[in-house]
Amino acid sequence: RKEVEQDPGPFNVPEGATVAFNCTYSNSASQSFFWYRQDCRKEPKLLMSVYSSGNEDGRFTAQLNRASQYISLLIRDSKLSDSATYLCVVTGTGGFKTIFGAGTRLFVKA
Amino acid sequence: DTAVSQTPKYLVTQMGNDKSIKCEQNLGHDTMYWYKQDSKKFLKIMFSYNNKELIINETVPNRFSPKSPDKAHLNLHINSLELGDSAVYFCASREIGSSYNSPLHFGNGTRLTVT
Repeated sequence: RKEVEQDPGPFNVPEGATVAFNCTYSNSASQSFFWYRQDCRKEPKLLMSVYSSGNEDGRFTAQLNRASQYISLLIRDSKLSDSATYLCVVTGTGGFKTIFGAGTRLFVKA
Repeated sequence: DTAVSQTPKYLVTQMGNDKSIKCEQNLGHDTMYWYKQDSKKFLKIMFSYNNKELIINETVPNRFSPKSPDKAHLNLHINSLELGDSAVYFCASREIGSSYNSPLHFGNGTRLTVT
């Protein structure tokens, strides 16, 4: 089993749609969680951290379920500029080893 | 005012050659990483240094040798390059300190092509 698993997609959605991505992780002792965004041929950039209580940043909402070892990202009112690959990231025991999922590709169309 | 900078941006070389990639961060972070992103776009951790000490070495061939002269620099030397080494190599840094919740900051990547 991979340490971090994501649905690779692609997700093709119209502008204005709501889209949700899921991610599962295998290490129950994982300590911190993030969503990153990667545009084609660019470096990954932090989208948001994920906290146990859930957190929101504008149109983006992240949730963490430690019992199910599951992380989600919800994007509301999708924009063309949201088209990218979304990477689920988990930091393991000790806090040093930061593991990336394979990414979920999102295409937002006009 | 780049936070994490890598050089070179592009590297084209022949099989069997030895090459180096350099990385510097001016964020004052205590931990630096090398990741490899292959043609399938999967980002795989290779090495991590915390305050110049190697703390992660992920089943990487010993042709790859990282070196951290100080906590702001992490270089990657690759001996006897092979076709399968072609990928984008990303340097990243973060401040572990007393918190594990700090995110990674990435450099722009080095696109290595081995012919």
